Amino acid sequence: DAGVIQSPRHEVTEMGQEVTLRCKPISGHNSLFWYRQTMMRGLELLIYFNNNVPIDDSGMPEDRFSAKMPNASFSTLKIQPSEPRDSAVYFCASSRQIYEQYFGPGTRLTVT
Amino acid sequence: GENVEQHPSTLSVQEGDSAVIKCTYSDSASNYFPWYKQELGKRPQLIIDIRSNVGEKKDQRIAVTLNKTAKHFSLHITETQPEDSAVYFCAASAPTDKLIFGTGTRLQVFP
Repeated sequence: DAGVIQSPRHEVTEMGQEVTLRCKPISGHNSLFWYRQTMMRGLELLIYFNNNVPIDDSGMPEDRFSAKMPNASFSTLKIQPSEPRDSAVYFCASSRQIYEQYFGPGTRLTVT
Repeated sequence: GENVEQHPSTLSVQEGDSAVIKCTYSDSASNYFPWYKQELGKRPQLIIDIRSNVGEKKDQRIAVTLNKTAKHFSLHITETQPEDSAVYFCAASAPTDKLIFGTGTRLQVFP
């Protein structure tokens, strides 16, 4: 099994641009999570899906952030428009239900 | 909602010594407690977890203990090695609820 796959691994963009992060969960996992990690705020849960349905998006910072999961093998996190304070490492994780979450390699986002 | 506190924030030990990291949680309904290890520039990796029906779990040099009455759980690493140096995160969740992570402990093992 390839594990959780994320793309791109690094993204550098200018303020105001749209950013789309992609995630492919582990096959057979029915829960998917998007996290953001910064030195200041640690590891924050942004949103999670169960069976492709968003369950809790209370961690999404503001309307500039949106996430979709059109099928069991793909999810996107979009930031539009991006701002410098969005610079962070974004992790996607998947699991069977909530337990044993496995993280992807992360996307390091830099917004200048 | 759940709140997880983790101590200490940094821990330095000599190679071969033991290291203990402690976490407390607030929601008595929490029943799942994983620990993650994150090396510099890498992803968090699940190293051990425990469910509320068990008081202790061991896997080679690492062990986790759970005290449901006091609502705290701990990670114990014995015979530490330089490759154990990383940030360790505890987490807790209630049934069918999201994981709440602690703020992390940076462990440094000196040769």
